[in-house]
Amino acid sequence: AIRMTQSPSSFSASTGDRVTITCRASQGISSYLAWYQQKPGKAPKLLIYAASTLQSGVPSRFSASGSGTDFTLAISCLQSEDFATYYCQQYYSYPPMFGQGTKVEIK
Amino acid sequence: QLLESGGGLVQPGESLTLSCAASGFTFSSYAMSWVRQAPGKGLEWVSGISGSGGSTYYADSVEGRFTISRDNSENTLYLQMSSLRAEDMAVYYCAKDRSLASSWNVADFWGQGTLVTVSS
Repeated sequence: AIRMTQSPSSFSASTGDRVTITCRASQGISSYLAWYQQKPGKAPKLLIYAASTLQSGVPSRFSASGSGTDFTLAISCLQSEDFATYYCQQYYSYPPMFGQGTKVEIK
Repeated sequence: QLLESGGGLVQPGESLTLSCAASGFTFSSYAMSWVRQAPGKGLEWVSGISGSGGSTYYADSVEGRFTISRDNSENTLYLQMSSLRAEDMAVYYCAKDRSLASSWNVADFWGQGTLVTVSS
């Protein structure tokens, strides 16, 4: 199975900050990568698929890039509703695998 | 909408069947999956099924113990779980694939989840 590693596992930031989260695959996955946001007690929400395509309805302050093994999710101007846990997920090959998550907390 | 049901408290070794009732889209056109989340932990894909139900996929951790199925006439997805272990305790989500691909890849819609507790 392809292993997905996110960094950092957690960090604190302030509203208005630009933040980035990194996801690394244990082998090349082309652009078969998705990003999800999850808030406590809620189901995950799809943000990005195909490494950089914004899901319909997701604010444009979210962006993502990367291919192969290294990927990045960026939030350009952190809003209060963005404090959550973010997961990457590869779908290049089965089984689909998620990263361990990155928790973005309020500073 | 995806609405899971069937979760509850079971003892190790027992069985349980989860259901996920779908509405608002052409259920038979989309691959579906079950994804679980142990308390305080991350997301783990468990099992997937094609839109027709003809192809099924399982994580190694549940292969041989869990069975995924669907009834397209009833717009319902199922997960039959047997020989349950403490490590199977989690919130189980059903998730719809974003595209019309034959296998599940990316979830664009999730249910609210149902909690399975395995404890003696």
